[in-house]
Amino acid sequence: QLQLQESGPGLVKPSETLSLTCTVSGGSISSSSYYWGWIRQPPGKGLEWIGSIYYSGSTYYNPSLKSRVTISVDTSKNQFSLKLSSVTAADTAVYYCARRGAEYDYWGQGTLVTVSS
Amino acid sequence: QAVVTQEPSLTVSPGGTVTLTCGSSTGAVTSGHYPYWFQQKPGQAPRTLIYDTSNKHSWTPARFSGSLLGGKAALTLSGAQPEDEAEYYCLLSYSGAHVFGTGTKVTVL
Repeated sequence: QLQLQESGPGLVKPSETLSLTCTVSGGSISSSSYYWGWIRQPPGKGLEWIGSIYYSGSTYYNPSLKSRVTISVDTSKNQFSLKLSSVTAADTAVYYCARRGAEYDYWGQGTLVTVSS
Repeated sequence: QAVVTQEPSLTVSPGGTVTLTCGSSTGAVTSGHYPYWFQQKPGQAPRTLIYDTSNKHSWTPARFSGSLLGGKAALTLSGAQPEDEAEYYCLLSYSGAHVFGTGTKVTVL
């Protein structure tokens, strides 16, 4: 059974860089059939797609976040990561990682990241 | 960036039918947007109900169906159950970049 688990600091200071990692277990991140993505949800608000990456490193980003976002993959560790720079309180959210083939079929449980001094 | 719009809230009676829609600011929604529909309950991660307009996941109840309707993507719930009360989000693909809809709160009452 595939599992995805987000990890990283739960508190980040304004203007700093948010860094999260998604560890994939029970399957290989190098499968040619899937993209691996990040989605976030501010408290009490809707979902926002951040971006996704293929195991080869090919990426797609949300245009509104593109200047601040980097998604990378480490196939040796079966992980992919999110970096979001110059964060503000508006970046406070639950961050989810997910696998996408034809569908988003596996999701992490989500991790709350709060931006505050 | 495209804006994807959904009804803010809808109410359906138990056993009744309701249709949620998903529109795009760029024009008509087509199969080329590969419309997805997700259900999210409080405190839980979203889960896919429908992908690629009308395809169901193995866990998708038969009472949910997806289609294109009047230039929008649509999710129809036929025979609503109390457990269907949730937030529903659509997702559209724009040449590889995805955009979530604004979400619809469905109340079964």
